[in-house]
Amino acid sequence: ETGVTQTPRHLVMGMTNKKSLKCEQHLGHNAMYWYKQSAKKPLELMFVYNFKEQTENNSVPSRFSPECPNSSHLFLHLHTLQPEDSALYLCASSQDGGRGEKLFFGSGTQLSVL
Amino acid sequence: KNQVEQSPQSLIILEGKNCTLQCNYTVSPFSNLRWYKQDTGRGPVSLTIMTFSENTKSNGRYTATLDADTKQSSLHITASQLSDSASYICVVSGPGTASKLTFGTGTRLQVTL
Repeated sequence: ETGVTQTPRHLVMGMTNKKSLKCEQHLGHNAMYWYKQSAKKPLELMFVYNFKEQTENNSVPSRFSPECPNSSHLFLHLHTLQPEDSALYLCASSQDGGRGEKLFFGSGTQLSVL
Repeated sequence: KNQVEQSPQSLIILEGKNCTLQCNYTVSPFSNLRWYKQDTGRGPVSLTIMTFSENTKSNGRYTATLDADTKQSSLHITASQLSDSASYICVVSGPGTASKLTFGTGTRLQVTL
């Protein structure tokens, strides 16, 4: 195990639903990330939190809303998603967001939007 | 624009054989390069990290090379095992925070009997 736990592992939702993805890290890290992984595409950075503060929003649509209540927990709230949002959503953490740090990834949430 | 290109896109080899995966990048300036292994249904896990001054680094049966002049890296897998079946992702870091990473699309390796 990498020390980063994501739930749920799989999620199917309609376009009018509201759901949340949860991520928890047990590594004592201070930086947490949300990535989107679509088939045959590179990982896309969505959000970065450093010491609970959002430091990067990579032009993500407002239907994705992150929340970081503390350095160990990260949520991604979803509402009125589109079918093209179907993908694997990965949470990651690193020591303190420094240059070239190793990322520790969770197993991801496989999201299907119908 | 910073880019990382990996080849081949997919590869099938017999168990016990060796293989080499390629990564070419245009990230500049360069800080370091990592290879990650991603098993099906799991998140990526770091295999190796290479900085500008390093040419070769090994992690068990995995050996990564880096040529910073030509901006190329390779990952060589020796005596492949069924458990090596996974996607291998090359990630290049420029200066700045860990969020400034450029990911390749990965090479999907399948090891068969």
